[in-house]
Amino acid sequence: GENVEQHPSTLSVQEGDSAVIKCTYSDSASNYFPWYKQELGKRPQLIIDIRSNVGEKKDQRIAVTLNKTAKHFSLHITETQPEDSAVYFCAASTILSSYDKVIFGPGTSLSVIP
Amino acid sequence: DVKVTQSSRYLVKRTGEKVFLECVQDMDHENMFWYRQDPGLGLRLIYFSYDVKMKEKGDIPEGYSVSREKKERFSLILESASTNQTSMYLCASRLLGQGWHEQYFGPGTRLTVT
Repeated sequence: GENVEQHPSTLSVQEGDSAVIKCTYSDSASNYFPWYKQELGKRPQLIIDIRSNVGEKKDQRIAVTLNKTAKHFSLHITETQPEDSAVYFCAASTILSSYDKVIFGPGTSLSVIP
Repeated sequence: DVKVTQSSRYLVKRTGEKVFLECVQDMDHENMFWYRQDPGLGLRLIYFSYDVKMKEKGDIPEGYSVSREKKERFSLILESASTNQTSMYLCASRLLGQGWHEQYFGPGTRLTVT
């Protein structure tokens, strides 16, 4: 079945450094790739997403890149801050007309050390 | 502001009990989802519903059933709770049809089966 792998499972960076989280997906029909952030004790929230017709998308300190040929996509966080500490989930889905299933990666626990 | 609520934050049940987890959303979303979240495994889809009375199995439906009699409410039922169903359960909803695919998550229910 469809599968999303995510690496690393844990990541520690110094405040101000960059963090990169990488995901791969198996279903070549996937065309929508969201990233969710889950702070400790809170619910996951969407932080950025990208569609397959775009190679890169930026939103302030966060960027996502997509390589459809290799079935890879990555989250880049620059100038990390302690409040970036959280678990990050990548996901892949195939947008159909009224229904699609979202497959999540196992998550990356990011710690930003002040 | 979208609100997704779950009936309990913490629940303790005995093996063999029938357990009901309730999820309610107030934004008229068509899609609703139930996930379980376990360390190192990410968010695994149990069931989803793309409209009232419609349901589809996710990746791990065994031991669970669902009910969607009204658009705003999606119930997860553990017919006979077992200890391996101890987990965090997250409900989510999503509005489709407008090019926007963000899932909104509830706060989660931490279920312990003893």
